[in-house]
Amino acid sequence: EIVLTQSPGTLSLSPGERATLSCRASQSVSSSYLAWYQQKPGQAPRLLIYGASNRATGIPDRFSGSGSGTDFTLTISRLEPEDFAVYYCQQYGNSPPGFTFGPGTKVDIK
Amino acid sequence: EVQLVESGGGLIQPGGSLRLSCAASGFTVSSNYMSWVRQAPGKGLEWVSVIYSGGTTYYSDSVKGRFTISRDNSKNTLYLQMNSLRAEDTAVYHCARVRISWGILDFWGQGTLVTVSS
Repeated sequence: EIVLTQSPGTLSLSPGERATLSCRASQSVSSSYLAWYQQKPGQAPRLLIYGASNRATGIPDRFSGSGSGTDFTLTISRLEPEDFAVYYCQQYGNSPPGFTFGPGTKVDIK
Repeated sequence: EVQLVESGGGLIQPGGSLRLSCAASGFTVSSNYMSWVRQAPGKGLEWVSVIYSGGTTYYSDSVKGRFTISRDNSKNTLYLQMNSLRAEDTAVYHCARVRISWGILDFWGQGTLVTVSS
C-alpha cells in the first residue's frame, strides 16, 4: 500500500507570495495517477491538477504541478486571497484498485 | 452542468444502518465510474468505495464487509448502504465521479454528514 506524506503541514504566507507544497510517496507512483485537490472550509474538494502536471478545466495558470517517481510538487506562483485553503495530493492504484490521499497542507494567511 | 447531491445522512446509534444517496445530473451514472470519499470532522480525505461502469465494486479495508456501493440506473443515483456502523464512521460522505484514465475524482458533491453516536 502506497502512503502519501505532505509537507509542510501548514504554510503561512502573504498574498502575492509563492507557495511550494510537497507530496512524497512511500514507493514510486505513476505520474499519470497523481493529482492535487483544493478544499475550502465547508466545501467539497476541487480538482486542480491531474497527471502530476495538467491543470484541470478552469484552474488558473498560477497553479502548476511537477514531479515524478516519489516526489511531487504543487506550486502556486502568486497567492491570491481565494487560494488560502487545504491542499491534498492523491494517487490511484490498481492493485487493488483504490485512491489514496495525503494528509493535506493548509495554506493560511500570515 | 454536472451536479451531485448527497442525502440520507443523520445521527445513528452504533451498530445501526444507514443508506446514503447521491443524485446525479448532467451525466449518466451508469456510464461512469463513481466513488464515495469520507472526511471525519477536522480530518483529511479517506476513500471508501468505487463502482465501475460494468458493476465491479471495490472497498477500503476499513469498510469492507460492512458497506455496499450500488446504483439505480433509472434514477441516475448512486447509493452507499452502511451497516454495523461504528463511531469511527462519523464523517461527511462525498460522492464523486471518477475519471479512471487519470485515476482522478473530477466532480464532487457537497457531502452528507453521518454521525454515529449513542
